[in-house]
Amino acid sequence: GAGVSQSPSNKVTEKGKDVELRCDPISGHTALYWYRQSLGQGLEFLIYFQGNSAPDKSGLPSDRFSAERTGGSVSTLTIQRTQQEDSAVYLCASSLAGGRYDRQPQHFGDGTRLSIL
Amino acid sequence: GQNIDQPTEMTATEGAIVQINCTYQTSGFNGLFWYQQHAGEAPTFLSYNVLDGLEEKGRFSSFLSRSKGYSYLLLKELQMKDSASYLCASMDSNYQLIWGAGTKLIIKP
Repeated sequence: GAGVSQSPSNKVTEKGKDVELRCDPISGHTALYWYRQSLGQGLEFLIYFQGNSAPDKSGLPSDRFSAERTGGSVSTLTIQRTQQEDSAVYLCASSLAGGRYDRQPQHFGDGTRLSIL
Repeated sequence: GQNIDQPTEMTATEGAIVQINCTYQTSGFNGLFWYQQHAGEAPTFLSYNVLDGLEEKGRFSSFLSRSKGYSYLLLKELQMKDSASYLCASMDSNYQLIWGAGTKLIIKP
């Protein structure tokens, strides 16, 4: 079946503009994660959705960042009033989760490369 | 605090064997993952260890020692296509992955 799909693949925008990134997880995967990866760095956790539970927002770097997941499927990550330090690759991952599936590997999308001018 | 340590970069020769080490300190432990990430691409799952010992999967093997908070990824018969970053991630008590910064592996002919 289809893997995790992210759009756009690349986004260039001016400082101060808002951006919206989209993630379409693998069908049936209840867990969805957003990460940020700067050049040559590891993955920085941003936010985690699991089913209908309240999301874990502990990784969001500021109140300019927000995310939602509608209908337990597609998720959007919104960055308001973008800053140059927001430039990074934003990766989305999904997995089976809950109960005995909690240790399932995460499957990643190809990411959105965000560049703030 | 939670911490994952792995070397920043390693170099090896095509056809040889290389071992990439990872030490971890997390709040609780629910397993250790290794992912491969080629430049400009998404990470892809390689292995998962939750019990002590060696798990072999083709040319790649992964080892875990829970008492030492230590894992390694062993790559045999290296090929040029193995040039990539290798990410170590420990799953904590909340089933969240704590990620290392990755080890960039350079394969030379």
